[in-house]
Amino acid sequence: DIQMTQSPSTLSASVGDRVTITCRATQNIRSWLAWYQQKPGKAPNLLMYDASSLGRGVPSRFSGSGSGTEFTLTISSLQPDDFATYYCQQYNSFPWTFGQGTKVEIK
Amino acid sequence: EMQLLQSGGGLVQPGGSLRLSCAASGFTFSSYAMTWLRQAPGKGLEWVSAISTTDDTTYYADSVKGRFTISRDDSKSTLSLQMNSLRAEDTALYYCAKVPPDQGFYDLWGQGTLVTVSS
Repeated sequence: DIQMTQSPSTLSASVGDRVTITCRATQNIRSWLAWYQQKPGKAPNLLMYDASSLGRGVPSRFSGSGSGTEFTLTISSLQPDDFATYYCQQYNSFPWTFGQGTKVEIK
Repeated sequence: EMQLLQSGGGLVQPGGSLRLSCAASGFTFSSYAMTWLRQAPGKGLEWVSAISTTDDTTYYADSVKGRFTISRDDSKSTLSLQMNSLRAEDTALYYCAKVPPDQGFYDLWGQGTLVTVSS
């Protein structure tokens, strides 16, 4: 199975900060990567797919980049609604696997 | 509005069985592959099972293979997960999710239903 590793596990930031989360795969997954946002007590919500395509209704302050084994999710200016846990997920090879998550906390 | 509404779940003893359901609305259910995922308390996300559209081919994580059965009823726009021989490690919040055509990500999720396996 392809292992996905996110860094950092926890990130403390302030409103207005530029935030970057990294996701690494143990094998080449081309651009078959998605990002999700999950708030406490809620289901995950799709943010990005195909590494850099914005999900429906997702604000443009979110962007994704990368290919192969290294990917990033960037929030250009952190908003109060963005404090949540973020997961990457590869869908290059079955079984599709997730990173362990990155919790974005208020500094 | 597209929606997945889950039901089922609850407390069950080890070795017991439970059936989860996921009712779809707002989209043509029969056109989409569907999946089940789970999230143990305080943990990350784990894919559990998937079912295709055309031939109802099914897929399972090794951790549930032989114990769980995924099925779909396109006439009722409903996805199901029959869980047998449940173990403590199956305790989790279970989500159903929709997969866009020829994709591997999840663009619509149910609200989640809690399964607790405990004596």
